Amino acid sequence: EAQVTQNPRYLITVTGKKLTVTCSQNMNHEYMSWYRQDPGLGLRQIYYSMNVEVTDKGDVPEGYKVSRKEKRNFPLILESPSPNQTSLYFCASSPGKITYEQYFGPGTRLTVT
Amino acid sequence: KQEVTQIPAALSVPEGENLVLNCSFTDSAIYNLQWFRQDPGKGLTSLLLIQSSQREQTSGRLNASLDKSSGRSTLYIAASQPGDSATYLCAVILTPLRAAGNKLTFGGGTRVLVKP
Repeated sequence: EAQVTQNPRYLITVTGKKLTVTCSQNMNHEYMSWYRQDPGLGLRQIYYSMNVEVTDKGDVPEGYKVSRKEKRNFPLILESPSPNQTSLYFCASSPGKITYEQYFGPGTRLTVT
Repeated sequence: KQEVTQIPAALSVPEGENLVLNCSFTDSAIYNLQWFRQDPGKGLTSLLLIQSSQREQTSGRLNASLDKSSGRSTLYIAASQPGDSATYLCAVILTPLRAAGNKLTFGGGTRVLVKP
């Protein structure tokens, strides 16, 4: 089944403790990106990747890192999480051509205390 | 800067009534527009995608129209059911030359409640 998977789905952590949220897609998509969703602010892009080893900042990249060493994986790294990073995170992928249709993962709810 | 607006923010209808959800965008140079459904605390499910050259797309009880020149899209859901209760989001992608990374710009969503 074609899908985008994220792990973990729920995470509670403390300020400053490094964490990684994994994202994987099995559709051989070139484009992958991370969004966060916050009440009143909607969905905003954090980082994106146009292909292996090609990443760039989205609208709200502060406090986040990403890497794209393999086409299927695009982990989101929070080196020193802070409470303002408490949010619902979504990974998305797209073939990056023709329709540019985006496919979203199930989301990761992160709470930083 | 592209801005996407969805009005109303919330909508409540009795079962069986047709739903009309509105989406407007400020920059008409869009490549496509996608409608998503989101259940509380859940992920986004793609409902329909309309490319900029298309006027409408249909899938079952869903029909989405696009008027690029006026910056509007409408999602129609026929004969609504309680299971249609969810938040509906529209999102646009600017033309590839103007938007790196396939960035979607989302509207704030319309929260729909279909009462039995």
